[in-house]
Amino acid sequence: DAKTTQPTSMDCAEGRAANLPCNHSTISGNEYVYWYRQIHSQGPQYIIHGLKNNETNEMASLIITEDRKSSTLILPHATLRDTAVYYCIVRVANRDDKIIFGKGTRLHILP
Amino acid sequence: EAGVAQSPRYKIIEKRQSVAFWCNPISGHATLYWYQQILGQGPKLLIQFQNNGVVDDSQLPKDRFSAERLKGVDSTLKIQPAKLEDSAVYLCASNQDRTYNEQFFGPGTRLTVL
Repeated sequence: DAKTTQPTSMDCAEGRAANLPCNHSTISGNEYVYWYRQIHSQGPQYIIHGLKNNETNEMASLIITEDRKSSTLILPHATLRDTAVYYCIVRVANRDDKIIFGKGTRLHILP
Repeated sequence: EAGVAQSPRYKIIEKRQSVAFWCNPISGHATLYWYQQILGQGPKLLIQFQNNGVVDDSQLPKDRFSAERLKGVDSTLKIQPAKLEDSAVYLCASNQDRTYNEQFFGPGTRLTVL
């Protein structure tokens, strides 16, 4: 079973920041938080990952709480192309630890 | 660089028939995965290969599903015989042996079993 809890769906206005929450209260000390997204009719796409520090890349920012029991993915200026299902995953960063996808959050960007 | 290639993109078969899917991972990627994604759910790992060896096939229904990666490059996933509940998108993914952070996914094959 997935180790994370996410809202089923969210709406965000185009041009605004989209903030996607994720709860992972049972996360272990060596587990990272990963985010993937899946645009309709495509395979999932890696976005970002982090252990305990906040992370930023060209796609998004990841904010992890100090107790690491929850995190937020931030898309700073959402566009219509960001409409997708977003998956929050916790896993150890080695090849033997499988990715377990939950149902994710369906993000609708509204024009 | 070229992404993960999969074929066919769509397949419709009747129950009890057999079907095969093909995947060509990104060049140089040692690890290859097959996932099953049922409508409305996240992808579920079926099998993981490291080069041509199986690392994890605990979720593969071995009575009807089989997969191989004979030369450690491309891979095929077969279902024989298919059941109605096998209707799903079958996704292939790969990553480099040295990098465990990012899996690269193909576009998937959408299978409909009638």
